[in-house]
Amino acid sequence: NAGVTQTPKFQVLKTGQSMTLQCAQDMNHNSMYWYRQDPGMGLRLIYYSASEGTTDKGEVPNGYNVSRLNKREFSLRLESAAPSQTSVYFCASQINRQGKSGYTFGSGTRLTVV
Amino acid sequence: AQTVTQSQPEMSVQEAETVTLSCTYDTSESDYYLFWYKQPPSRQMILVIRQEAYKQQNATENRFSVNFQKAAKSFSLKISDSQLGDAAMYFCAYAGGTSYGKLTFGQGTILTVHP
Repeated sequence: NAGVTQTPKFQVLKTGQSMTLQCAQDMNHNSMYWYRQDPGMGLRLIYYSASEGTTDKGEVPNGYNVSRLNKREFSLRLESAAPSQTSVYFCASQINRQGKSGYTFGSGTRLTVV
Repeated sequence: AQTVTQSQPEMSVQEAETVTLSCTYDTSESDYYLFWYKQPPSRQMILVIRQEAYKQQNATENRFSVNFQKAAKSFSLKISDSQLGDAAMYFCAYAGGTSYGKLTFGQGTILTVHP
């Protein structure tokens, strides 16, 4: 089925460890996004990529890096995980970066940093 | 910066009854889009309904409708004939014409449906 695939679905890290969250979409969308969801705060934008080859910071980028590997893939890297990064992470894609275009979300990654 | 506020952390409704979830937003843009997303326990984000700011007519999707008050910057979601499957977290979200597709979400409202 066409959509946004995130891996892994669950992950436990120790403080200071690094990891990469993977996201891939097969809908030929140009724009991709990474959000984090915390209780009582909704989803907040970490980084986005308006098109292949470009990335920009969102509302909460500190502690994260991203790579738009190609049109399909947009990865999120935690270089040195901290307990404050315990969250549910969502990747989303959109055919272009206009508000009227529909968004497709992945099923999320629950990350726990101990 | 745009902000979205959902002032009801939790709401409950009896099956077959009607419930309204509130959302207010703040923006200086004239061109924008508003959304309601449903998030069941599976975590999947499901689009419920979308409203384009330049359209005066309120959007409807089957049992779901919105009351869009542009001057008051209010965007409430009405669920009619509530069903057990409607139980979920609901998020209000905003995308501005100049924010290049980036969504700003409210804090969410947990909806419980009682049989």
